[in-house]
Amino acid sequence: GAVVSQHPSRVICKSGTSVKIECRSLDFQATTMFWYRQFPKQSLMLMATSNEGSKATYEQGVEKDKFLINHASLTLSTLTVTSAHPEDSSFYICSARAAGSYNSPLHFGNGTRLTVT
Amino acid sequence: AQTVTQSQPEMSVQEAETVTLSCTYDTSESDYYLFWYKQPPSRQMILVIRQEAYKQQNATENRFSVNFQKAAKSFSLKISDSQLGDAAMYFCAYRSAETSGSRLTFGEGTQLTVNP
Repeated sequence: GAVVSQHPSRVICKSGTSVKIECRSLDFQATTMFWYRQFPKQSLMLMATSNEGSKATYEQGVEKDKFLINHASLTLSTLTVTSAHPEDSSFYICSARAAGSYNSPLHFGNGTRLTVT
Repeated sequence: AQTVTQSQPEMSVQEAETVTLSCTYDTSESDYYLFWYKQPPSRQMILVIRQEAYKQQNATENRFSVNFQKAAKSFSLKISDSQLGDAAMYFCAYRSAETSGSRLTFGEGTQLTVNP
Protein backbone atom coordinates (compact mmCIF):
# COMPACT_ATOMS: atom_id res chain seq x y z
CA GLY A 1 0.00 0.00 0.00
CA ALA A 2 0.89 3.66 -0.23
CA VAL A 3 3.52 4.78 2.26
CA VAL A 4 4.21 8.21 3.66
CA SER A 5 7.49 8.66 5.46
CA GLN A 6 7.87 11.43 7.98
CA HIS A 7 11.24 12.40 9.42
CA PRO A 8 12.39 12.85 12.10
CA SER A 9 10.10 10.92 14.40
CA ARG A 10 11.33 12.83 17.42
CA VAL A 11 13.27 16.04 17.75
CA ILE A 12 14.35 18.15 20.68
CA CYS A 13 15.53 21.66 20.01
CA LYS A 14 16.39 24.74 21.98
CA SER A 15 14.13 27.74 22.08
CA GLY A 16 14.88 30.15 19.27
CA THR A 17 16.19 27.57 16.83
CA SER A 18 14.45 26.25 13.72
CA VAL A 19 13.41 22.71 13.00
CA LYS A 20 12.59 21.11 9.65
CA ILE A 21 10.23 18.17 9.32
CA GLU A 22 10.07 16.19 6.10
CA CYS A 23 7.11 14.36 4.65
CA ARG A 24 7.76 12.03 1.72
CA SER A 25 5.43 9.91 -0.35
CA LEU A 26 7.51 6.84 -1.07
CA ASP A 27 5.58 5.03 -3.77
CA PHE A 28 3.23 7.61 -5.21
CA GLN A 29 3.17 11.21 -6.32
CA ALA A 30 1.30 13.63 -4.12
CA THR A 31 0.13 16.97 -5.47
CA THR A 32 -1.40 17.80 -2.12
CA MET A 33 -0.11 17.19 1.36
CA PHE A 34 -1.63 18.26 4.64
CA TRP A 35 0.06 19.24 7.88
CA TYR A 36 -1.71 18.61 11.15
CA ARG A 37 -0.85 19.44 14.72
CA GLN A 38 -1.98 17.36 17.66
CA PHE A 39 -1.70 18.23 21.34
CA PRO A 40 -1.83 15.41 23.91
CA LYS A 41 -5.21 13.72 24.10
CA GLN A 42 -6.65 16.12 21.56
CA SER A 43 -7.73 15.87 17.97
CA LEU A 44 -5.75 16.64 14.85
CA MET A 45 -5.98 20.25 13.82
CA LEU A 46 -5.22 21.15 10.22
CA MET A 47 -2.47 23.71 9.99
CA ALA A 48 -2.01 24.05 6.26
CA THR A 49 -2.52 22.47 2.89
CA SER A 50 0.64 22.06 0.89
CA ASN A 51 0.35 22.18 -2.89
CA GLU A 52 3.19 21.15 -5.15
CA GLY A 53 4.64 24.09 -7.00
CA SER A 54 2.55 26.75 -5.31
CA LYS A 55 2.16 28.49 -1.99
CA ALA A 56 0.65 26.63 0.89
CA THR A 57 -2.80 27.49 2.16
CA TYR A 58 -2.80 28.15 5.88
CA GLU A 59 -5.68 27.74 8.27
CA GLN A 60 -6.93 30.69 10.22
CA GLY A 61 -4.74 31.42 13.20
CA VAL A 62 -1.66 29.63 11.87
CA GLU A 63 1.29 31.95 11.41
CA LYS A 64 2.70 31.65 7.92
CA ASP A 65 6.06 33.09 8.87
CA LYS A 66 6.47 30.74 11.78
CA PHE A 67 5.44 27.53 10.05
CA LEU A 68 7.11 27.57 6.67
CA ILE A 69 5.89 24.97 4.22
CA ASN A 70 7.64 24.02 1.03
CA HIS A 71 6.27 21.48 -1.44
CA ALA A 72 8.99 21.52 -4.05
CA SER A 73 8.35 18.14 -5.63
CA LEU A 74 5.56 15.63 -6.04
CA THR A 75 7.04 13.45 -3.33
CA LEU A 76 8.29 15.87 -0.70
CA SER A 77 6.81 18.53 1.52
CA THR A 78 8.65 20.16 4.40
CA LEU A 79 7.44 22.02 7.44
CA THR A 80 9.93 24.32 9.13
CA VAL A 81 9.14 25.62 12.59
CA THR A 82 11.09 28.85 12.81
CA SER A 83 12.28 30.40 16.03
CA ALA A 84 10.68 27.61 18.00
CA HIS A 85 9.28 28.26 21.47
CA PRO A 86 8.17 25.80 24.15
CA GLU A 87 4.52 26.35 23.19
CA ASP A 88 5.35 24.92 19.74
CA SER A 89 6.03 21.57 21.39
CA SER A 90 3.51 19.22 19.89
CA PHE A 91 2.97 16.23 17.63
CA TYR A 92 3.01 17.12 13.94
CA ILE A 93 1.52 14.74 11.36
CA CYS A 94 1.51 14.96 7.59
CA SER A 95 -0.80 13.24 5.17
CA ALA A 96 -0.80 12.92 1.41
CA ARG A 97 -3.11 11.99 -1.40
CA ALA A 98 -2.00 10.43 -4.65
CA ALA A 99 -2.02 12.75 -7.65
CA GLY A 100 -4.86 12.27 -10.07
CA SER A 101 -6.97 10.27 -7.65
CA TYR A 102 -9.31 12.73 -6.02
CA ASN A 103 -11.34 10.08 -4.27
CA SER A 104 -8.48 8.01 -2.95
CA PRO A 105 -7.87 7.88 0.79
CA LEU A 106 -5.30 10.00 2.51
CA HIS A 107 -2.15 8.34 3.77
CA PHE A 108 -0.57 9.50 6.98
CA GLY A 109 3.01 9.73 8.11
CA ASN A 110 4.01 8.40 11.51
CA GLY A 111 4.27 11.87 12.96
CA THR A 112 7.00 13.95 14.55
CA ARG A 113 7.12 14.71 18.24
CA LEU A 114 8.70 18.13 18.68
CA THR A 115 9.96 19.21 22.08
CA VAL A 116 11.28 22.74 22.48
CA THR A 117 13.34 23.33 25.60
CA ALA B 1 -17.94 24.98 7.53
CA GLN B 2 -18.26 21.37 8.43
CA THR B 3 -18.02 20.20 12.01
CA VAL B 4 -17.64 16.75 13.49
CA THR B 5 -18.66 15.92 17.04
CA GLN B 6 -17.80 12.91 19.14
CA SER B 7 -19.66 13.16 22.41
CA GLN B 8 -17.92 10.28 24.16
CA PRO B 9 -14.42 11.25 25.31
CA GLU B 10 -13.90 7.76 26.75
CA MET B 11 -15.48 4.37 26.31
CA SER B 12 -14.65 0.95 27.65
CA VAL B 13 -15.62 -2.55 26.61
CA GLN B 14 -14.95 -6.05 27.78
CA GLU B 15 -12.91 -8.23 25.51
CA ALA B 16 -15.13 -10.14 23.03
CA GLU B 17 -18.04 -7.76 23.62
CA THR B 18 -19.46 -5.15 21.28
CA VAL B 19 -19.09 -1.41 21.59
CA THR B 20 -20.51 1.49 19.60
CA LEU B 21 -18.79 4.83 19.22
CA SER B 22 -20.91 7.83 18.32
CA CYS B 23 -20.27 10.58 15.81
CA THR B 24 -22.42 13.35 14.46
CA TYR B 25 -21.54 15.94 11.88
CA ASP B 26 -22.90 19.10 10.40
CA THR B 27 -22.72 19.98 6.74
CA SER B 28 -24.76 21.62 4.03
CA GLU B 29 -23.22 19.44 1.35
CA SER B 30 -24.89 16.40 -0.12
CA ASP B 31 -21.82 14.58 -1.36
CA TYR B 32 -19.08 13.72 1.07
CA TYR B 33 -17.10 10.95 2.72
CA LEU B 34 -17.00 9.86 6.32
CA PHE B 35 -14.19 7.97 7.99
CA TRP B 36 -13.21 6.34 11.21
CA TYR B 37 -9.52 6.41 12.05
CA LYS B 38 -7.77 4.57 14.83
CA GLN B 39 -4.75 6.06 16.59
CA PRO B 40 -2.96 3.60 18.89
CA PRO B 41 -0.28 4.71 21.35
CA SER B 42 2.21 4.68 18.48
CA ARG B 43 0.28 7.74 17.17
CA GLN B 44 0.06 6.21 13.68
CA MET B 45 -3.26 7.10 12.02
CA ILE B 46 -4.91 3.94 10.73
CA LEU B 47 -7.97 4.01 8.50
CA VAL B 48 -10.62 1.71 9.96
CA ILE B 49 -13.57 2.23 7.67
CA ARG B 50 -14.91 4.64 5.07
CA GLN B 51 -18.42 5.53 3.93
CA GLU B 52 -19.51 7.39 0.84
CA ALA B 53 -22.54 9.57 1.54
CA TYR B 54 -24.28 8.60 -1.69
CA LYS B 55 -24.29 4.95 -0.66
CA GLN B 56 -27.20 3.88 1.48
CA GLN B 57 -25.59 0.60 2.45
CA ASN B 58 -23.57 0.75 5.62
CA ALA B 59 -19.88 -0.01 5.21
CA THR B 60 -18.40 -3.03 6.95
CA GLU B 61 -14.82 -4.20 7.42
CA ASN B 62 -14.59 -7.50 9.25
CA ARG B 63 -15.45 -6.73 12.90
CA PHE B 64 -16.04 -3.06 12.17
CA SER B 65 -19.29 -1.68 10.83
CA VAL B 66 -20.99 1.68 10.71
CA ASN B 67 -24.52 2.90 11.13
CA PHE B 68 -24.80 5.79 8.69
CA GLN B 69 -27.93 7.89 9.09
CA LYS B 70 -27.63 10.66 6.51
CA ALA B 71 -30.78 12.52 7.45
CA ALA B 72 -29.76 12.56 11.09
CA LYS B 73 -26.13 13.28 10.17
CA SER B 74 -24.99 10.45 12.35
CA PHE B 75 -22.15 8.03 11.72
CA SER B 76 -21.52 5.55 14.52
CA LEU B 77 -18.89 2.82 14.58
CA LYS B 78 -19.64 -0.63 15.93
CA ILE B 79 -16.80 -2.88 16.96
CA SER B 80 -17.80 -6.49 17.42
CA ASP B 81 -15.86 -9.14 19.30
CA SER B 82 -13.58 -6.49 20.75
CA GLN B 83 -9.92 -7.38 21.03
CA LEU B 84 -7.18 -5.97 23.22
CA GLY B 85 -5.55 -4.56 20.11
CA ASP B 86 -8.60 -2.42 19.46
CA ALA B 87 -7.66 -0.18 22.37
CA ALA B 88 -6.86 3.21 20.89
CA MET B 89 -8.13 6.69 20.25
CA TYR B 90 -10.78 6.67 17.56
CA PHE B 91 -11.45 9.69 15.39
CA CYS B 92 -14.45 10.30 13.19
CA ALA B 93 -13.64 12.43 10.15
CA TYR B 94 -15.43 14.21 7.33
CA ARG B 95 -14.22 15.02 3.85
CA SER B 96 -16.08 16.93 1.20
CA ALA B 97 -16.54 15.36 -2.20
CA GLU B 98 -17.76 18.63 -3.67
CA THR B 99 -14.73 20.82 -3.21
CA SER B 100 -11.13 20.29 -4.10
CA GLY B 101 -8.40 19.82 -1.54
CA SER B 102 -9.72 16.76 0.22
CA ARG B 103 -9.07 18.15 3.67
CA LEU B 104 -10.19 16.02 6.58
CA THR B 105 -12.11 17.50 9.49
CA PHE B 106 -11.74 15.42 12.63
CA GLY B 107 -13.90 14.98 15.68
CA GLU B 108 -12.51 15.31 19.18
CA GLY B 109 -11.82 11.61 19.50
CA THR B 110 -12.98 8.77 21.73
CA GLN B 111 -10.47 6.89 23.84
CA LEU B 112 -11.44 3.21 23.81
CA THR B 113 -10.25 0.88 26.55
CA VAL B 114 -10.61 -2.86 26.14
CA ASN B 115 -10.71 -4.76 29.41
CA PRO B 116 -9.48 -8.36 29.49
